[in-house]
Amino acid sequence: DVKVTQSSRYLVKRTGEKVFLECVQDMDHENMFWYRQDPGLGLRLIYFSYDVKMKEKGDIPEGYSVSREKKERFSLILESASTNQTSMYLCASSPGTGGNGYTFGSGTRLTVV
Amino acid sequence: GQSLEQPSEVTAVEGAIVQINCTYQTSGFYGLSWYQQHDGGAPTFLSYNALDGLEETGRFSSFLSRSDSYGYLLLQELQMKDSASYFCAVRGAGSYQLTFGKGTKLSVIP
Repeated sequence: DVKVTQSSRYLVKRTGEKVFLECVQDMDHENMFWYRQDPGLGLRLIYFSYDVKMKEKGDIPEGYSVSREKKERFSLILESASTNQTSMYLCASSPGTGGNGYTFGSGTRLTVV
Repeated sequence: GQSLEQPSEVTAVEGAIVQINCTYQTSGFYGLSWYQQHDGGAPTFLSYNALDGLEETGRFSSFLSRSDSYGYLLLQELQMKDSASYFCAVRGAGSYQLTFGKGTKLSVIP
């Protein structure tokens, strides 16, 4: 069964910490995405990547960075965690230019205290 | 940029039919997608419309009118397990990423 795996389901971090969220896909997809989901706001795109070492800002990139050193792995980095980054983080992947059928990971619920 | 509007909540009776509407504004258009998300779960892909008309997949159908920038998801023979949030999403021309609506929470009642 094809999968997008996020390394942590729940995470609690302190304000100011550097936080790494990891995502791995086994479908050989070119495109990978990081969204955050908040009640009433839906899914908002943070960053995406359409190739190894390539990255593009989404709608809300401030306070985040990403890394894609290998095709299957896309990491989201919170440089200095803040309480307003408490959220559900969803990673997704899709093949080639057919960016319609995303496969999502199960999500990481991050709490910053 | 892109923006989408869909109702925040819909309630329907088990066995009935429900329609969830979505209107969008986008610069260029590649297609309208629908995703389902149960509480605590990941969004899962339901359907995709690139051309005008109705696409049917079992109990679910999705419709698109590009001239009206409008689409809907139709769920027939509703079951309790259909209680979930449903998101419409669009991909603009020349882009790889989807922009999602804020979601419609569907509650199916006995």
